[in-house]
Amino acid sequence: GQQLNQSPQSMFIQEGEDVSMNCTSSSIFNTWLWYKQDPGEGPVLLIALYKAGELTSNGRLTAQFGITRKDSFLNISASIPSDVGIYFCAGLLSGGSNYKLTFGKGTLLTVNP
Amino acid sequence: KAGVTQTPRYLIKTRGQQVTLSCSPISGHRSVSWYQQTPGQGLQFLFEYFSETQRNKGNFPGRFSGRQFSNSRSEMNVSTLELGDSALYLCASSLGYEDTQYFGPGTRLTVL
Repeated sequence: GQQLNQSPQSMFIQEGEDVSMNCTSSSIFNTWLWYKQDPGEGPVLLIALYKAGELTSNGRLTAQFGITRKDSFLNISASIPSDVGIYFCAGLLSGGSNYKLTFGKGTLLTVNP
Repeated sequence: KAGVTQTPRYLIKTRGQQVTLSCSPISGHRSVSWYQQTPGQGLQFLFEYFSETQRNKGNFPGRFSGRQFSNSRSEMNVSTLELGDSALYLCASSLGYEDTQYFGPGTRLTVL
């Protein structure tokens, strides 16, 4: 199926550093979602963005819905070891009888204590 | 509020067998979606049910089927299992079919 372009694929950082990852698409979406998945578990919703240009924070996490509706980024500030996991973006296009949810391939984050 | 629950968490089957996976959505959620997650393909949408009706379907063969009950619980069935069906099968629920989805922990299926 169709995938979003999510980058980077993986990151290895030191505890305390800031992290940035993004997703781009050739298609527009009306919702962007960011999930985190721990090994052996399902993705957990971190942030949902519903409006182009929207900037939303959840603790140390900040995400933005791109103005073009084709991209989104997620920043994590002052990383800690429990931030380790795979981060997925997802774009949702819905309306009328249309419903299409597309996921990026994920960014694997490793935090070195 | 309890989250999405999936049973069983782990399953081992052999080629040719069939399997049924179960998903109980968050209380009050009426939409249930199923996804297959593999290292190579990532998360792929299987199908979505809302009020016992399949509303959307991904690009999977007819061996993959599902249903939803009047209490919004959903089951997914895979017949004639193939080695390539080994994956983490995730269920997600939402209030309505256009709302934010919340995932369960998944069922890890291994086909030998």
